[in-house]
Amino acid sequence: DIVMTQSPLSLPVTPGEPASISCRSSQSLLYSNGYKYVDWYLQKPGQSPQLLIYLGSNRASGVPDRFSGSGSGTNFTLKISRVEPEDVGVYYCMQPLQTPFTFGPGTKVDLK
Amino acid sequence: QVQLVQSGPEVKKPGASVKVSCKASGYTFSNYTIHWVRQAPGQRLEWMGWLNPGTGYGKLSQKFQGRLTLPRDTSASIAFMELSSLRSEDTAIYYCARVKLDYYYGLDVWGQGTTVTVSS
Repeated sequence: DIVMTQSPLSLPVTPGEPASISCRSSQSLLYSNGYKYVDWYLQKPGQSPQLLIYLGSNRASGVPDRFSGSGSGTNFTLKISRVEPEDVGVYYCMQPLQTPFTFGPGTKVDLK
Repeated sequence: QVQLVQSGPEVKKPGASVKVSCKASGYTFSNYTIHWVRQAPGQRLEWMGWLNPGTGYGKLSQKFQGRLTLPRDTSASIAFMELSSLRSEDTAIYYCARVKLDYYYGLDVWGQGTTVTVSS
């Protein structure tokens, strides 16, 4: 199975400031079609996960443009340009390249 | 609007089975696969398997082989997750989510989750 790791696991943030989360995979997630098979999900407190970014850098419908995804074959980053109070929760990266899909351990983002 | 609505909480004894439903509305059921993901207390999200409701074909995580089935009722646009031989470690919130068939756009719609508690 592909192992996903994230850092940091906890990230206190200040509203209006940028934030960044890293995700690493045990195998390259770059497929032959040129797409990077990594997604980012946010699970707000008491809610189901919600899709933020798919295939490495594509924002899902309705996701604010302050969220962006980037990365190479095994190293990926989610950036929030200016954190808003509603961005608190746990962020997960996930690889859908091969089954079983696997998730990172999550990064808990809360306000300082 | 597009939504996946899951059945209510379940409490089961060890060794029993549980069947969770996921009713789709607002879109064409057969144009998306349904995935099942669970989250045990304090643990990361864990992918369990997926099903193509139109064909009945799917794939399960090897971890659940022999215990997990993913039936569906296409006439009612409902997908099910049935897990047997339950043990305490299966206590978790179970989510369904959809993925478009012809192009990957991520797990873009999720159900509200169903809490399954396994306790003697």
